[in-house]
Order: sequence, then structure tokens, then C-alpha cells
Amino acid sequence: EDKVVQSPLSLVVHEGDTVTLNCSYEVTNFRSLLWYKQEKKAPTFLFMLTSSGIEKKSGRLSSILDKKELFSILNITATQTGDSAVYLCAAGGMETSGSRLTFGEGTQLTVNP
Amino acid sequence: ETGVTQTPRHLVMGMTNKKSLKCEQHLGHNAMYWYKQSAKKPLELMFVYNFKEQTENNSVPSRFSPECPNSSHLFLHLHTLQPEDSALYLCASSLVEGAYEQYFGPGTRLTVT
Repeated sequence: EDKVVQSPLSLVVHEGDTVTLNCSYEVTNFRSLLWYKQEKKAPTFLFMLTSSGIEKKSGRLSSILDKKELFSILNITATQTGDSAVYLCAAGGMETSGSRLTFGEGTQLTVNP
Repeated sequence: ETGVTQTPRHLVMGMTNKKSLKCEQHLGHNAMYWYKQSAKKPLELMFVYNFKEQTENNSVPSRFSPECPNSSHLFLHLHTLQPEDSALYLCASSLVEGAYEQYFGPGTRLTVT
């Protein structure tokens, strides 16, 4: 059975801090790993990673995938209170393997002023 | 309207009621999904439709009945629910089925009394 584990489950930081969120996965015939940010209701898409070692970047957020060690990290630099949210990681396999996404439990990030 | 919309946003129903959740996507996508999100649990995939055909039923009880009349609309018909079915129900869509970027609606917060 496919599995995605995120750590830490909860994190409290001060504005300006840099945080690293972790995601490890076990997925049959892995295809991609995705990161989402969930504030109040709808998860919003951040990144999709399919290749090892290639950093994806969007403003203060960046993410990288390690397909050998089966994990990904999401970095947020110079955190702001607006970054407070649950960050979800999901992984899925190739179409021939039943390609649905399996989600982790999420990391609750709280950024205090 | 753009993106993925869901109605109603909140629903309270008794165990003997019948109600329906509606999802509509304006993204030109061909795959649509229903997820259940309970407190402190990962997102659980319920159903997948690809080009209007159901391709996944993740062992969901028959009191949940999906309907996909076309690639833009998805319904979840509810009847004789249990209190443990109270959760946030999220609809998502993607260009094609698989481990690709999925875009989520705002969800329906369901309470079963």
C-alpha cells in the first residue's frame, strides 16, 4: 500500500525564520510528488516534482526531490504570518499502477509575528 | 466563474435525509475527484471519474453515490448517512487522471446529526 509521511506534524516559528518541511514516500512505480498549501478550505497547488535534484522555486518557497532516498523537502525562507497553513504532500505512481495521489497527514505551520 | 466551485459550502443533515453535493470545474479538465477530509487524518480519495467514466471507487459505502453527467460536473448523492460521515468533502479536477496537478474546490463542510 502506498504511504506518505510528513514531519513535523506541527511547527511554530517567528516571522523571518526559515523552515524546512519533510515528506517521505513509498509509492509503487513512482511518478510525481506534489505540495499543497491549505489555509481555510481548498488546498492550493504549490509544486509538482518528478525528477531528482531539480529545485522548484516560487518566491520564498522552494522544493526538491530525492528519488533515491524517497523524500522531498519544502523550504520557506523569511517566513511571514501569511505562510501559516497546513502544508500537504502527496505522491502518486504511473498510470499503469493505479495513479491516484496518496496524501500525507500534513504539517501545521504557525508563524507568529 | 473560474476554477472549481462547490455547493453548498455548509450542510447539516439528519441521518434519514437525502442530499446532494455539487461540483463544477471551469478549467477544461477531464478528470474529477471526490475526497473526504476528516480532522487529523490525511485526505481520503473516494471516487475518480475520467472522461465521465468512474475509474476508482475506494471502498466507499453505498450511502455515498457519485454521478458525473459530463466532464465539468460532478455530484455526490448522500442518503442515510452516519455521524462519522461528518467531514469536509473536497472536489478536485485535473487535466487527465493520474498523479498530476489537481485543483481543489473550497469544499462542503458536512455535519450529520
